Amino acid sequence: EAQVTQNPRYLITVTGKKLTVTCSQNMNHEYMSWYRQDPGLGLRQIYYSMNVEVTDKGDVPEGYKVSRKEKRNFPLILESPSPNQTSLYFCASSGRGQGRNYGYTFGSGTRLTVV
Amino acid sequence: GQNIDQPTEMTATEGAIVQINCTYQTSGFNGLFWYQQHAGEAPTFLSYNVLDGLEEKGRFSSFLSRSKGYSYLLLKELQMKDSASYLCAGLSYNTDKLIFGTGTRLQVFP
Repeated sequence: EAQVTQNPRYLITVTGKKLTVTCSQNMNHEYMSWYRQDPGLGLRQIYYSMNVEVTDKGDVPEGYKVSRKEKRNFPLILESPSPNQTSLYFCASSGRGQGRNYGYTFGSGTRLTVV
Repeated sequence: GQNIDQPTEMTATEGAIVQINCTYQTSGFNGLFWYQQHAGEAPTFLSYNVLDGLEEKGRFSSFLSRSKGYSYLLLKELQMKDSASYLCAGLSYNTDKLIFGTGTRLQVFP
């Protein structure tokens, strides 16, 4: 089944404790992206990657890191999480050109709480 | 800028028709998407318009006017399960970046 897999689904952590949210897709998509979703603010892009070893900042990159060493994986790293990073996170992918037809395929989401 | 605006909330009755509007700044977008998102779940693709006009898919239709920076999603024969948020999103020129509006929360009542 074609899908984007995110883990974990839920995570509660403490301020300053490094964490990684994993994202993997099995559709051989070039484009991958991370979004956060907050009430009243909608989905905002954190980072994106056009292909392996190519990453770039989105609209709200502060406090986050990403890497794209393999085509299928695009982990999101929070080196020192803070309470303002409490949010619902989505990973998404798109094949080149397919973004113009089908948009993104989204993962199931990760609800992160930083206390 | 690439602002996308849509109403925050709408209500409708089961069996009725509802139209959710979306306006955007005309420069910079190559197509408009509509997604459905139930609370706490991932957005799911509903429709994509790149040319002006109406695209119909069963109970859902989407319309685009590029010159006016205007789109709408039309939902017919509303069902309770249609209660969800509906997200309008523009696709940036020359990239695959989707820029989302804040979403319209639709509540369908019996």
